[in-house]
Amino acid sequence: AQSVSQHNHHVILSEAASLELGCNYSYGGTVNLFWYVQYPGQHLQLLLKYFSGDPLVKGIKGFEAEFIKSKFSFNLRKPSVQWSDTAEYFCGCGPGNNRKLIWGLGTSLAVNP
Amino acid sequence: NAGVTQTPKFRVLKTGQSMTLLCAQDMNHEYMYWYRQDPGMGLRLIHYSVGEGTTAKGEVPDGYNVSRLKKQNFLLGLESAAPSQTSVYFCASSYGTSQGNEQFFGPGTRLTVL
Repeated sequence: AQSVSQHNHHVILSEAASLELGCNYSYGGTVNLFWYVQYPGQHLQLLLKYFSGDPLVKGIKGFEAEFIKSKFSFNLRKPSVQWSDTAEYFCGCGPGNNRKLIWGLGTSLAVNP
Repeated sequence: NAGVTQTPKFRVLKTGQSMTLLCAQDMNHEYMYWYRQDPGMGLRLIHYSVGEGTTAKGEVPDGYNVSRLKKQNFLLGLESAAPSQTSVYFCASSYGTSQGNEQFFGPGTRLTVL
């Protein structure tokens, strides 16, 4: 069965630290990949997406992600986190023409000021 | 352009009561989804619809029914609420696979079943 794994369930960082959140998917064909963020008490918002082209994708608020096809990975990065980045982060995968997205369980990020 | 809206925002039910959650979108999206979010379990798909008049089961459909009579609305019904249905419910919509199925989410409904 298709699945998405987010290896880090809880991450605690200090402000200005660098961030990398892992996301791996299990599907061998064409995929669309997403990172969404959910701030406390809010709904999910799109951070960035990959459909095709340049595997390094830049999103909002200084986030970026790299699609590595050979590793089935789409890791999220930010060089310097801020307290306001405290949130839950979800990786989603849309395999081919699948009508549904497959979601990871999420990673909770806490940034200490 | 309101995007995706959900009503109500909060609701408390007693076991056995029924209710309907309403999701509306004004982006002319073909696809609509209902998810539930529980701590440590991520997003779980309840039901979805790929067009007006069509619905399909997701991974946790038991105890829920849906209807998509109009393209812009997607209703989620609980016929006989149970405490296990205490959760935050999110509706989402998308243009569909032609645009990569990027989903747009509503603000959520927090439901407590006593």
